[in-house]
Amino acid sequence: EIVMTQSPATLSVSPGERATLSCRASQSVSSNLAWYQQKPGQAPRLLIYGASTRATGIPARFSGSGSGTEFTLTISSLQSEDLAVYYCHQYNNWPYTFGQGTKVEIK
Amino acid sequence: QVQLVQSGAEVKKPGASVKVSCKASGYTFTGDYMHWVRQAPGQGLEWMGWINPSSGGTDYLQKFQGRVTMTRDTSISTAYMELTRLRSDDTAVYYCARGYYGGAFDVWGQGTVVTVSS
Repeated sequence: EIVMTQSPATLSVSPGERATLSCRASQSVSSNLAWYQQKPGQAPRLLIYGASTRATGIPARFSGSGSGTEFTLTISSLQSEDLAVYYCHQYNNWPYTFGQGTKVEIK
Repeated sequence: QVQLVQSGAEVKKPGASVKVSCKASGYTFTGDYMHWVRQAPGQGLEWMGWINPSSGGTDYLQKFQGRVTMTRDTSISTAYMELTRLRSDDTAVYYCARGYYGGAFDVWGQGTVVTVSS
């Protein structure tokens, strides 16, 4: 099983500032990596797939990068509505696995 | 629009079974895998398995082997997840999600809360 490790666990960022979230895979997942946003009481929402492609309707301030074992989700200018937990997910190998999440707080 | 609508909350006793449904609309149900993911209270996401709605083929996370069964009814575009021999640590929100873009989950159901308590 591929272990996905996210850092940091919690990130406090002021509105308008950049937020950088990291995800590391225990072995290569190529570019088969997705990012999800989950707000309290809601289902997760797909932000990024293929490591760097924004899903339909996702604002341009969200971007993804990386391949192999190291990935990054960047929120270029944090908005108050971005308060959420963000999960990475590898779908390169069964069983699919998720990171433990990064909670983004508004400073 | 593409939508997944799940059945309502369930309260079960330990040792019982639960069956959650997920009705798809807005796309060809047999065209994409359906996955099931659960989230225990205050915890992260755990993938449970998938079903190919076209063939009925399935694959389950090993920890659920022997307790979970995923099925579908193509006539009503609905997928099901049944979990047996429930324990208190099965208390969670259960989501169905469509596999798309090579395996990412682009559409999610609203979630079904399953509470296991004596």
